[in-house]
Amino acid sequence: EAGVAQSPRYKIIEKRQSVAFWCNPISGHATLYWYQQILGQGPKLLIQFQNNGVVDDSQLPKDRFSAERLKGVDSTLKIQPAKLEDSAVYLCASSFRTGYSPLHFGNGTRLTVT
Amino acid sequence: DQQVKQNSPSLSVQEGRISILNCDYTNSMFDYFLWYKKYPAEGPTFLISISSIKDKNEDGRFTVFLNKSAKHLSLHIVPSQPGDSAVYFCAASANGNQFYFGTGTSLTVIP
Repeated sequence: EAGVAQSPRYKIIEKRQSVAFWCNPISGHATLYWYQQILGQGPKLLIQFQNNGVVDDSQLPKDRFSAERLKGVDSTLKIQPAKLEDSAVYLCASSFRTGYSPLHFGNGTRLTVT
Repeated sequence: DQQVKQNSPSLSVQEGRISILNCDYTNSMFDYFLWYKKYPAEGPTFLISISSIKDKNEDGRFTVFLNKSAKHLSLHIVPSQPGDSAVYFCAASANGNQFYFGTGTSLTVIP
């Protein structure tokens, strides 16, 4: 089966600019996650979708981050405006269902904010 | 608040020997645990999981052990191979909801 697809792989922007990341989950996977991984740390959940509804966005900095999952398939994560501390790898993951189902990750987007 | 901890940032093991990676957690509500392997410039790859109703799960060369009373899990790789050199993350969740990840252990298998 095809894995989780993410684009772009790399992005360099200046602070205060905006950026968007795209994710296409594994076919049939109802649950989609966006994680932020800062260098030297483990992935941290930003937002979790079940189909096209938000399950958990408690750790999403809503003043600058937004995410949507239209039609319950693809998802986009946007940062506007970006800060230096947003430099990280943004990982998208999907799972067959919510609960007791492993996450399958894409290769991530490495964002550098200068 | 780091609810999942991997206290060893790195580990070196000779090829053919056993690799033991450790993970501790603080939340007694966690009931589902996973191990991931990550190569540079790639996303984490799922390795093996265990639910709290078990204390051991095995898949080929990989075995995960869970000690609920100690809030500790470990991943055993036997025998270790050079291709196992990667960063390993443990993750935990309660009811299969929000997954908390450790900071990772970098394993080097020496040929």
